[in-house]
Amino acid sequence: EPEVTQTPSHQVTQMGQEVILRCVPISNHLYFYWYRQILGQKVEFLVSFYNNEISEKSEIFDDQFSVERPDGSNFTLKIRSTKLEDSAMYFCASSEGQGAHTGELFFGEGSRLTVL
Amino acid sequence: DAKTTQPPSMDCAEGRAANLPCNHSTISGNEYVYWYRQIHSQGPQYIIHGLKNNETNEMASLIITEDRKSSTLILPHATLRDTAVYYCIVRVPNTGGFKTIFGAGTRLFVKA
Repeated sequence: EPEVTQTPSHQVTQMGQEVILRCVPISNHLYFYWYRQILGQKVEFLVSFYNNEISEKSEIFDDQFSVERPDGSNFTLKIRSTKLEDSAMYFCASSEGQGAHTGELFFGEGSRLTVL
Repeated sequence: DAKTTQPPSMDCAEGRAANLPCNHSTISGNEYVYWYRQIHSQGPQYIIHGLKNNETNEMASLIITEDRKSSTLILPHATLRDTAVYYCIVRVPNTGGFKTIFGAGTRLFVKA
């Protein structure tokens, strides 16, 4: 069964450093998303991406964050100048479409980011 | 998207049916009900969705009341691996800025 893959599974970084989290969505999917989950809290929407541009972003997704689809398979989340509060699990997701029967999200296993 | 209300936690005995309720009294006519679950620290997993008819797949059944103001997700024979947080989400397809918003969900504990 096709799946969303994420790398790295765990990254430890120093405060102020830049990190790039990588995702390979399911190959025929057209919509891509990043979510994050701080330990013990809800899954929070960060950004959605379609047709090579951001469709929507949350208040969390400020200038510190950026997304890119550098080639036909990867979808990346860059976090600049990391802060302690960026420590979280980051989930990538993709969907085939946005319709009633194509809008289901398929999530990766997540990348755990620890900022020291 | 309409707001949903779910109990924070529920218990279920292994092998019994788990019935997870969701209230969505402000649902509009074109909003679908989606269910996802998140097993400890893993990415959320899509389970099932429906508009007004009851739906069943290999994972679960979804029962939507006739007035569509509430629904129940049924796991017919719960196993220990079904222990997870279950999210009920209401949204209109093809709208909403391409985002699915997760609430607090119901934490289901399946006990041996």
